[in-house]
Amino acid sequence: EVQLVESGGDLVQPGGSLRLSCAASGFSFSTYWMSWVRQAPGKGLEWVANINQDGSDRYYMDSVKGRFTVSRDNAKRSLYLQMNGLRADDTAVYYCATVGAIYQYYMAVWGKGSTVTVSS
Amino acid sequence: EVVMTQSPATLSVSPGERAALSCRASQSIISNLAWYQQKPGQAPSLLIYGASTRATGIPARFSGTKSGTEFTLTISSLQSEDFAVYFCQQYNNWPLTFGGGTKVEI
Repeated sequence: EVQLVESGGDLVQPGGSLRLSCAASGFSFSTYWMSWVRQAPGKGLEWVANINQDGSDRYYMDSVKGRFTVSRDNAKRSLYLQMNGLRADDTAVYYCATVGAIYQYYMAVWGKGSTVTVSS
Repeated sequence: EVVMTQSPATLSVSPGERAALSCRASQSIISNLAWYQQKPGQAPSLLIYGASTRATGIPARFSGTKSGTEFTLTISSLQSEDFAVYFCQQYNNWPLTFGGGTKVEI
């Protein structure tokens, strides 16, 4: 069974840092692009970042460029999101997801999410 | 950025009725569109990709169509488990963008 489990969410002060992790199992992790998507409380979905199979290609939404870094460790079957300079509007549930196929960047399988709250 | 506009924001229907949800792209996205379902307190799940291809295990009552830059998700006969929020997403251009969602309620 394909499974994604996020962790690392917490309450953090504005300007602080946090690292989210996503543990993958049940599929060949190293052969898939991966995504991070977030959802602010009571709001819609917002794509955050994508990373290709070996980490050499990464894409970000504009508002997180320079602050967030997506990475992966294929040996550990894990995806990460390093978040620096956190702001109140980064408060959201963060989901990791598998990308459907090469050049087909829909989110095929989702984790249950990890909650990040940015507040003083 | 490709703006995805979903309508209506809320759709009130009865079990057994047909529901049609709309998603319009601000420019051509070919057929690079996906639909997701999200139930309260749960993560989203993939329903349709490529505008009209059902994901594995999705019942045939869910169908997707395309007309130019307008996409429609149709649920032919609503079941109780279909009451949820539905999002569309384009993956033709960076940044990837979602519509604001349509809530299907009784």
